[in-house]
Amino acid sequence: AQSVSQHNHHVILSEAASLELGCNYSYGGTVNLFWYVQYPGQHLQLLLKYFSGDPLVKGIKGFEAEFIKSKFSFNLRKPSVQWSDTAEYFCAVGRRSNYQLIWGAGTKLIIKP
Amino acid sequence: KAGVTQTPRYLIKTRGQQVTLSCSPISGHRSVSWYQQTPGQGLQFLFEYFSETQRNKGNFPGRFSGRQFSNSRSEMNVSTLELGDSALYLCASSPDRVDTEAFFGQGTRLTVV
Repeated sequence: AQSVSQHNHHVILSEAASLELGCNYSYGGTVNLFWYVQYPGQHLQLLLKYFSGDPLVKGIKGFEAEFIKSKFSFNLRKPSVQWSDTAEYFCAVGRRSNYQLIWGAGTKLIIKP
Repeated sequence: KAGVTQTPRYLIKTRGQQVTLSCSPISGHRSVSWYQQTPGQGLQFLFEYFSETQRNKGNFPGRFSGRQFSNSRSEMNVSTLELGDSALYLCASSPDRVDTEAFFGQGTRLTVV
C-alpha cells in the first residue's frame, strides 16, 4: 500500500535555529508533492508544491523543499525559524493516476521564543 | 473570494445516531474531497467528487457516504455512529483535481458519546 512517512512527530526548536522536516513516500510512479501547514486554530493551507522541473521549490514564509527522486523524499527546510512557525506540518503525495492525496501523520513544530 | 465553508463547526452525537456534514466549495471549483483527521493519524481520505460523480473512495466502511450537488456543494453522511468516528472532518475544494491543489475548510469537529 502507498504510504507517506514523516520522520518526526514532534520537533522543538529555538528561534533562529534551522529546520528540516523529513518526508518519504512509497509510490514509484509520477507524483505531485505538497507540504501543508496548520497553524493553531486555523485551517490547513498550502506551503509549497512540486509537480516537475527544478527539484528545489520555494514556498511561502521562507520555506523550501527539495525533491530527491532516488530517495523518494521531499524534505522541508527553513534556514531560520520564528516563533510564528509553531504549527503542524503535513506532507502529502498525489498520484496522477487517481484523485486523492495520501498524507503523512504530521509533525508538530514548537518554536521556543 | 469566499473560502471553503463547512457546517456545522461542532457536533455532539450519540452512538447509533447518524450525522450529515455539509461543505460549500470555493466558487467555480468542481472537485470536493473529504478527509477524516485524528491526532497522530494525519488525514485519511474518505472520497472525492467531481461534477456530482464520485471518482475515488478511501478505505472506510459503508456507513460513510457522500454526495455532490449540481452547484458543487457536497454532503457526507455517517450512519450508525461509533465512538471511533469522533474526529475532525475536513473538506477540500479544488478547481478540478485535489492532487493539483486543495483548499481546505475549517472542518467539522464531531464528537460521538
